[in-house]
Amino acid sequence: KNQVEQSPQSLIILEGKNCTLQCNYTVSPFSNLRWYKQDTGRGPVSLTIMTFSENTKSNGRYTATLDADTKQSSLHITASQLSDSASYICVVNTGGGNKLTFGTGTQLKVEL
Amino acid sequence: ETGVTQTPRHLVMGMTNKKSLKCEQHLGHNAMYWYKQSAKKPLELMFVYNFKEQTENNSVPSRFSPECPNSSHLFLHLHTLQPEDSALYLCASSQHQLGEFEAFFGQGTRLTVV
Repeated sequence: KNQVEQSPQSLIILEGKNCTLQCNYTVSPFSNLRWYKQDTGRGPVSLTIMTFSENTKSNGRYTATLDADTKQSSLHITASQLSDSASYICVVNTGGGNKLTFGTGTQLKVEL
Repeated sequence: ETGVTQTPRHLVMGMTNKKSLKCEQHLGHNAMYWYKQSAKKPLELMFVYNFKEQTENNSVPSRFSPECPNSSHLFLHLHTLQPEDSALYLCASSQHQLGEFEAFFGQGTRLTVV
């Protein structure tokens, strides 16, 4: 069964600190992996998309890594800001027909 | 804004009511989707339309009825819903219904069934 597991479920950090969110997947076949940011009560917004051949991809203070061998991905947030408070969702595409498997997300709260 | 607009943003309806959710995209995309997001659960795909044709119905109860009159508009008609149907309903679109295309989501409609 295709699954995407994220950890931790929730995280609280101080403003200015870095953090890393984890994503493990058992989806097969693999097409690409996406990280989305979802503010409370809003729709998800794409941060990065990585294909099988990409190991790392950055978008401003967000850096995603992918290890297709171990089926793991991480999202590193540098110098966190209050506006980073949101749910971060890992999504894996099985390829063909846009079959997306969603994780339950990591709820991040950045405090002063 | 992502270019995908959903209305209304919030909806409270009784179990005997009939209502509709609307989604409109201004991105020129050919594929549109309905997702359900319940608390502490992953997004669940409900329906997929590609070039106005329904290509996927993910075993959704018949009290949810989608309609796609053209590639830019998608509706979700609701009738005789249950309290457990309360959730955030998200619409998304992508260039085509293929895995390499990015999906853009609307803001969602927060539905409460009383």
